[in-house]
Order: sequence, then C-alpha cells, then structure tokens
Amino acid sequence: AQSVTQLDSQVPVFEEAPVELRCNYSSSVSVYLFWYVQYPNQGLQLLLKYLSGSTLVKGINGFEAEFNKSQTSFHLRKPSVHISDTAEYFCAVTLTGGFKTIFGAGTRLFVKA
Amino acid sequence: DGGITQSPKYLFRKEGQNVTLSCEQNLNHDAMYWYRQDPGQGLRLIYYSQIVNDFQKGDIAEGYSVSREKKESFPLTVTSAQKNPTAFYLCASSIQWTGENEQFFGPGTRLTVL
Repeated sequence: AQSVTQLDSQVPVFEEAPVELRCNYSSSVSVYLFWYVQYPNQGLQLLLKYLSGSTLVKGINGFEAEFNKSQTSFHLRKPSVHISDTAEYFCAVTLTGGFKTIFGAGTRLFVKA
Repeated sequence: DGGITQSPKYLFRKEGQNVTLSCEQNLNHDAMYWYRQDPGQGLRLIYYSQIVNDFQKGDIAEGYSVSREKKESFPLTVTSAQKNPTAFYLCASSIQWTGENEQFFGPGTRLTVL
C-alpha cells in the first residue's frame, strides 16, 4: 500500500533564508507526486506536481521540488522565503493508473522576521 | 471566476442531529471528493464521485452520506451515527478521476458539535 511521510511537523525559518520541506513516499509502482499549500482556514491549492520527465519541477511562488526515485523522495525547496509563505504544506501521492490520492500529515512552515 | 464553493463556512451541530454541507463547482469537472481534516492527520477521504449519479466510499465513510444528482453539486450529510464529527471538511474536484489530475479545493466548512 502507498504511504506518504512528511518528516517534519513544523519548520521555523527566518525571512530570506532557504527552506526544504521533506517528503518520502512508499509505493511498489510508479506514482504521481504533488505539493499543495494551505493558508489558515482555507482550502488547499496546488504548488507543483511531478508526472514524468525532468525530475526537477518548478511551481508557483518560487517553489521547486526534486523527484528522487532511488530515495523515494520529493522534497520541496525555496531559496529565499517570505513572511507570506507561512502556511501548511502537504505532500501527496497518487498511483499511476489510479485515482486515490494519499496526503501526508502536513508540515507547518513558520517564517519569522 | 471558476471554482468551488462550500457553505456554510462554520456549522454547529447538536448531538443527534444530521447536518448537510454544501459543495458546488462550476469547473465542469467530472470527479468530486470529500475530505476530513483533523490537526496533525492530513486529509482523509470520506467519499468520492467519478461521475454524476455515481459515488463510492472512501477510507472513513461510516456516519456520512452523499449524493451526486447533478454534475456541479456533491453535498455531504453528517449523520448522528458519526460519533466524532468535529473537524474541518474540504470538498475538491478534478477534471477526471485519474491520478495525474490535480484536485481543486473549496474553502472548507468547520463543523463543531455542541
């Protein structure tokens, strides 16, 4: 069965510093990978997704993620964060040919001035 | 603007009551989903619908019911059989039900049992 592990429940970081939010998944078949962001009391919105091809994926708001098949990871990075990036970030996995999406437990990013 | 609307934003339920959460989309999407969000647990799938007039149970369907009579609407009823319904409920849709399609989410309904 597929599963998603977000290794950090909370990540505090100072404004303009780089950040990496870690995501590992478990699956015996190929997967599609997603990162979503949730601002307080709102729904989720897509940051980026990996379907196939280049392992480095660029998304909105300056975020990018790298798919590493050997390490079954899909870590999210941003070289310089802003106060407005404070939110909860969810990694999600769907089996290729499937439909059900499994979400990680989320990582709360706190950006401090 | 296209999107997903959920109402109400906040809902209070007395024990023993059934309540219905509304979800409407104007994206012309075939698939729709209901998730429950609890702190530290991510999103858990309650029900999903691949196409109008069809729906399937997700991982935590007990105590919930849905209908999909129109393509744009997917209401969720939280019944009195749901023993711990206090949570944040999110509705989502995707173009089709296949996994490569990202989901679009509504703003959510926060349900509190009094």
